[in-house]
Amino acid sequence: GEDVEQSLFLSVREGDSSVINCTYTDSSSTYLYWYKQEPGAGLQLLTYIFSNMDMKQDQRLTVLLNKKDKHLSLRIADTQTGDSAIYFCAEPPPGANNLFFGTGTRLTVIP
Amino acid sequence: DGGITQSPKYLFRKEGQNVTLSCEQNLNHDAMYWYRQDPGQGLRLIYYSQIVNDFQKGDIAEGYSVSREKKESFPLTVTSAQKNPTAFYLCASTALGGGDQQFFGPGTRLTVL
Repeated sequence: GEDVEQSLFLSVREGDSSVINCTYTDSSSTYLYWYKQEPGAGLQLLTYIFSNMDMKQDQRLTVLLNKKDKHLSLRIADTQTGDSAIYFCAEPPPGANNLFFGTGTRLTVIP
Repeated sequence: DGGITQSPKYLFRKEGQNVTLSCEQNLNHDAMYWYRQDPGQGLRLIYYSQIVNDFQKGDIAEGYSVSREKKESFPLTVTSAQKNPTAFYLCASTALGGGDQQFFGPGTRLTVL
């Protein structure tokens, strides 16, 4: 079955960079997604990457994809207190009609 | 404004009672999903529907039921058969289904007293 793994917690100081890691099992995924969940709210799509890309940059966000190792990471530059949230990576299982989500990483930004 | 709405935001239920959670979208999306979120366990898929009058079980469908009589609406009923229903429930939709990006509602927190 599908298995998307993430570390549960990450703490960084305001202004530092945050790196959130994710490993996944299905190598045929077309897209891989990063979602952000603020306390008591639904999930918002943060960014995504096509499986034929190695890197995608969007302002403070950098997504790196290592297909060989099935490893996805999200780097947030100049982390702010407003970045404190749970971050989920997600991939579509092969032949399925939904997304499979990781356990989520709770990012805490220390002022 | 287009989006997904869930109501109520907080819901309390006594043991043994059924309760229905509402999910409505005006995005004209075909596919809709229900997830359950527990601390440290990520999102688990309960049910999904790709078209009106059709739906499929997800990974944890036992104790839940759904209907899809209208494209815009996908209500979830938590029945008394669900052994541990206290959780945060999230509804989502997507235009094309499959592995396409999903849009989420704000969630409903259900507490069983």
